[in-house]
Amino acid sequence: TQLLEQSPQFLSIQEGENLTVYCNSSSVFSSLQWYRQEPGEGPVLLVTVVTGGEVKKLKRLTFQFGDARKDSSLHITAAQPGDTGLYLCAGPSSGTYKYIFGTGTRLKVLA
Amino acid sequence: DAGVIQSPRHEVTEMGQEVTLRCKPISGHDYLFWYRQTMMRGLELLIYFNNNVPIDDSGMPEDRFSAKMPNASFSTLKIQPSEPRDSAVYFCASSPVDRASSYEQYFGPGTRLTVT
Repeated sequence: TQLLEQSPQFLSIQEGENLTVYCNSSSVFSSLQWYRQEPGEGPVLLVTVVTGGEVKKLKRLTFQFGDARKDSSLHITAAQPGDTGLYLCAGPSSGTYKYIFGTGTRLKVLA
Repeated sequence: DAGVIQSPRHEVTEMGQEVTLRCKPISGHDYLFWYRQTMMRGLELLIYFNNNVPIDDSGMPEDRFSAKMPNASFSTLKIQPSEPRDSAVYFCASSPVDRASSYEQYFGPGTRLTVT
């Protein structure tokens, strides 16, 4: 069974700090996605990474896909209160459109 | 487009009652997914459809759960009879499917179900 473990589970930081969250698996994924979910809403896709070693930037957010396509990281520079939310990684189960979601990192950025 | 629409947004029911959750996907999307989210188990896929046909229902926890998609613009998830352990937020998502191997799922706002 493919699993995606995220760390840390919870993170509370001050505005302006940098942070990195991780998404790890023992399985290879053809692609990984990162979502952000705010309270009372559904997850919203931030990025999809497809190629091993790929780095994508979305304003202050930097996403990296591991060379072996078993892990990914999300780095936030100068965090803002608007970054608060639940961050989820997700990847397709081998050969299917069935997506597996990670355990999630709950981020709180204090003003 | 209005996005994925789910109803009701909140449902409180008593154990043993039938519960029906509804979803209207984004027009033109080929895939529809039902998920359940709890603090303990996170976001779990229950079932997904392609062109109104159920493809994988291996995530449906028990026979008490059933899902239908009678047409491209409507799907239901039914729980009968409901139990307190079914309390969770249920999400519907749709996808335009990208033949290049990955695709974006558009989630609805969810239905928060409480079974007492």
